[in-house]
Amino acid sequence: QVQLVQSGAEVTKPGASVKVSCKASGYTFTDYYIHWVRQAPGQGLEWMGWIKPNSGGTNYVQKFQGRVSMTSDTSISTAYMELSRLTTDDTAVYYCARDSPLSYWGQGTLVTVSS
Amino acid sequence: DIQMTQSPSSLSASVGDRVTITCRASQGISNYLAWFQQKPGKAPKSLIYGASSFQSGVPSRFRGSGSGTDFTLTISSLQPEDFATYYCQQYNTYPFTFGQGTKLEIK
Repeated sequence: QVQLVQSGAEVTKPGASVKVSCKASGYTFTDYYIHWVRQAPGQGLEWMGWIKPNSGGTNYVQKFQGRVSMTSDTSISTAYMELSRLTTDDTAVYYCARDSPLSYWGQGTLVTVSS
Repeated sequence: DIQMTQSPSSLSASVGDRVTITCRASQGISNYLAWFQQKPGKAPKSLIYGASSFQSGVPSRFRGSGSGTDFTLTISSLQPEDFATYYCQQYNTYPFTFGQGTKLEIK
C-alpha cells in the first residue's frame, strides 16, 4: 500500500534552517508529484508547493520563494523540504502528500521554532 | 490568489443527521476541487477529488457536488467517526488554496 513516512519532530532556533524528509513506498516514486502543506497550531492548511521527482522541477508559493527548497533522491524514494531563515511563525506541522490530488499524506512533522 | 470560503465555520449535529458544507471559490475553478477530513492530531484524509469523485474506501454517505465557483459536501447520515474538521481545496490555479475549515461537532 502507498505510504509516506516523514522524519521526526524538530526543535530549532530563529534564523536557523530545517530539513524534513518524506520517504515513499508502495508505488513508483517518479510517477507522482510530492506536495508540501503546513499547518500552524490551531490553524488551517497552507499549501507550500510541489516537486516533480523524475525531473526535480519545483513550484513554490511566492511567500516562501527564496526560503524554501524542495528536493528529491529517487534512489531512495525520498523527498525533502528545507526551510531557511526560520521565525517563530514557521512553527507548524509540515506534511508531504502525493498527487493527485493530495491523495495520500505523510504523518506530519512538527517543527518548533523557539529561542 | 483564489480565495476559498467555507460555510459554516462550525456545525453541531447529531448521529444520523444529514449535513451540508459549502465551499465557494472567488473565481471559477471548473471541477478542480477536493475535500479533506482531519481529526485532531492526525493528517488530513482525502475524501473527494474532481468535485464529486470518491477516493478509494470513502463511504458512500459522503457526496460532493458543484462546478465553477460553488461546491458542496454532503454527509447523508452522520456516523460517530465523521465528527472532524473538513477542508476544501482548489487545485485549478497556483497557488493551490484551502478553505478555512468547517468543524463538525456532536450536538
